[in-house]
Amino acid sequence: NAGVTQTPKFQVLKTGQSMTLQCAQDMNHEYMSWYRQDPGMGLRLIHYSVGAGITDQGEVPNGYNVSRSTTEDFPLRLLSAAPSQTSVYFCASSRDRAGELFFGEGSRLTVL
Amino acid sequence: LAKTTQPISMDSYEGQEVNITCSHNNIATNDYITWYQQFPSQGPRFIIQGYKTKVTNEVASLFIPADRKSSTLSLPRVSLSDTAVYYCLVGDTIKAAGNKLTFGGGTRVLVKP
Repeated sequence: NAGVTQTPKFQVLKTGQSMTLQCAQDMNHEYMSWYRQDPGMGLRLIHYSVGAGITDQGEVPNGYNVSRSTTEDFPLRLLSAAPSQTSVYFCASSRDRAGELFFGEGSRLTVL
Repeated sequence: LAKTTQPISMDSYEGQEVNITCSHNNIATNDYITWYQQFPSQGPRFIIQGYKTKVTNEVASLFIPADRKSSTLSLPRVSLSDTAVYYCLVGDTIKAAGNKLTFGGGTRVLVKP
């Protein structure tokens, strides 16, 4: 099993551009989430999903959209990139509520 | 969501036992306590989870007193490779909105030779 796969690993954007960070898991987990981590900081929850078709906002949702059309995939869309969105983004999934989180390797995004 | 408080950093030496205490004064009845480890440029990795008393696995022990307002992660005989950031999380496994979990700042553990 691949676990949680994130693409791309690195991305450079210009201010105002849009892009999608992809996240896929092959563990048939119901729960998925996106976090961002700024240098020297902990992780902050952006959006999360409790199953296909169901998403909700976390701590820092502004500027990001998500959708969950399948159990496996949970893409994160940046609508109009800003320098403040320069960060490392982690996708995670879990089988149980508040259960063990499985993280992807992260996507490092730089917005110029 | 229960807020957690951990020390910002701790230093230790190879072969020593490292104990990291996390405070979670407003922990709720259904909340479980979970610890994660994060190495630079990697996603966090699950270490251990518990509800009360003591839980032990092959890498760590988790001690939870009766009032559950704190918990202590114990890493026995650390090595240089245990240098990482350790996060304490509290979450309701029954009522939690999926995995809406809050990571605090974590504890940066440095293991010295």
